[in-house]
Amino acid sequence: AQSVTQPDIHITVSEGASLELRCNYSYGATPYLFWYVQSPGQGLQLLLKYFSGDTLVQGIKGFEAEFKRSQSSFNLRKPSVHWSDAAEYFCAVGAGGSYIPTFGRGTSLIVHP
Amino acid sequence: DTGVSQDPRHKITKRGQNVTFRCDPISEHNRLYWYRQTLGQGPEFLTYFQNEAQLEKSRLLSDRFSAERPKGSFSTLEIQRTEQGDSAMYLCASSQGLSQETQYFGPGTRLLVL
Repeated sequence: AQSVTQPDIHITVSEGASLELRCNYSYGATPYLFWYVQSPGQGLQLLLKYFSGDTLVQGIKGFEAEFKRSQSSFNLRKPSVHWSDAAEYFCAVGAGGSYIPTFGRGTSLIVHP
Repeated sequence: DTGVSQDPRHKITKRGQNVTFRCDPISEHNRLYWYRQTLGQGPEFLTYFQNEAQLEKSRLLSDRFSAERPKGSFSTLEIQRTEQGDSAMYLCASSQGLSQETQYFGPGTRLLVL
């Protein structure tokens, strides 16, 4: 069975600073990988996904993520954080067929002005 | 395209009562998923439908939980004899066709069992 570890429960950054959120997965085959964002009172929104091909994936809102098979990682990055990026971020891994993702416990992003 | 909607958004109930939640997926999305999210955790899969067929159920879905999607459109999730441990956010998502892996989530129904 697949699993996801997000080692950071909270991350605090200053507005304008760069951001990297960590995600490690466990899955026997080539995984499908996702990053979602959840703002208070909102549903989850897909930021980006990786299935195959280029290991650097571009998403919405200026986010990108890099798949590193050797490290079983799929870290999310943004070069300059905006106050509106404050939210909960979830990494997820899915298997083929049903595409049902297994989510990590999330990382809460706090942005200081 | 109005997105996935869920009703109600909030529900407070007493232990032992039955509750029912509704999810309206994006129109023409053939897959519909239910998840549960507790505080400080990511969503956990409960069950999913392809059209009206319930194809998979998690072991989290005890016999007090039942889900239906009678006409392949909206879905309901019922919890019978609620327990305090059922307090959570219940999320619905839908997906379609060749992009089954891209799920669109609703805002969720927050349940509090007193």
